[in-house]
Amino acid sequence: DAGVTQSPTHLIKTRGQQVTLRCSPKSGHDTVSWYQQALGQGPQFIFQYYEEEERQRGNFPDRFSGHQFPNYSSELNVNALLLGDSALYLCASSLLGQETQYFGPGTRLLVL
Amino acid sequence: SQQGEEDPQALSIQEGENATMNCSYKTSINNLQWYRQNSGRGLVHLILIRSNEREKHSGRLRVTLDTSKKSSSLLITASRAADTASYFCATDVGWIKAAGNKLTFGGGTRVLVKP
Repeated sequence: DAGVTQSPTHLIKTRGQQVTLRCSPKSGHDTVSWYQQALGQGPQFIFQYYEEEERQRGNFPDRFSGHQFPNYSSELNVNALLLGDSALYLCASSLLGQETQYFGPGTRLLVL
Repeated sequence: SQQGEEDPQALSIQEGENATMNCSYKTSINNLQWYRQNSGRGLVHLILIRSNEREKHSGRLRVTLDTSKKSSSLLITASRAADTASYFCATDVGWIKAAGNKLTFGGGTRVLVKP
């Protein structure tokens, strides 16, 4: 039973560029959440998707957008990258209404 | 913003000793969860305690919750070198229909277990 997978594992971009990160949820899960974790800090909630809609959003600008596909996989897009966007981006999946979220290994983004 | 604040920020102990870390939060919650993170990679769920529970055990882990003080503690007994990791508490206000649920994390406690 595959867990949550994310791609790519590492990414280097320059300021102003755009990036797309991908996540496949754990088998049987229908809800995907994205978190940003800056170095030395705890994860911060970006948004959550289920039924292909954004259901809840954290305190992140519109440069951060996402999408969920019919197979429940998800993408996180960040436009006009800033140096401060450098972080570990974590995807978590869960079953609708259940409390525990299962995290993927993350994508480490470095913005130069 | 982060709801939970962990204390201490870092902890260094010898193998076999117990490790205790605390988490405080600000708002009412449905449940509180503890996660472990090794070397800046993905988080592993350790234990969940609901707002109507006071104590929970899982193997060498013991979690307490005091909703009147808005605080929780995680105790790792008989620590091992493999327990070296960062530990995060995360609060959940509960699943809201049509809005889902989100976890609000603290800043974490970095635990070093020396062999």
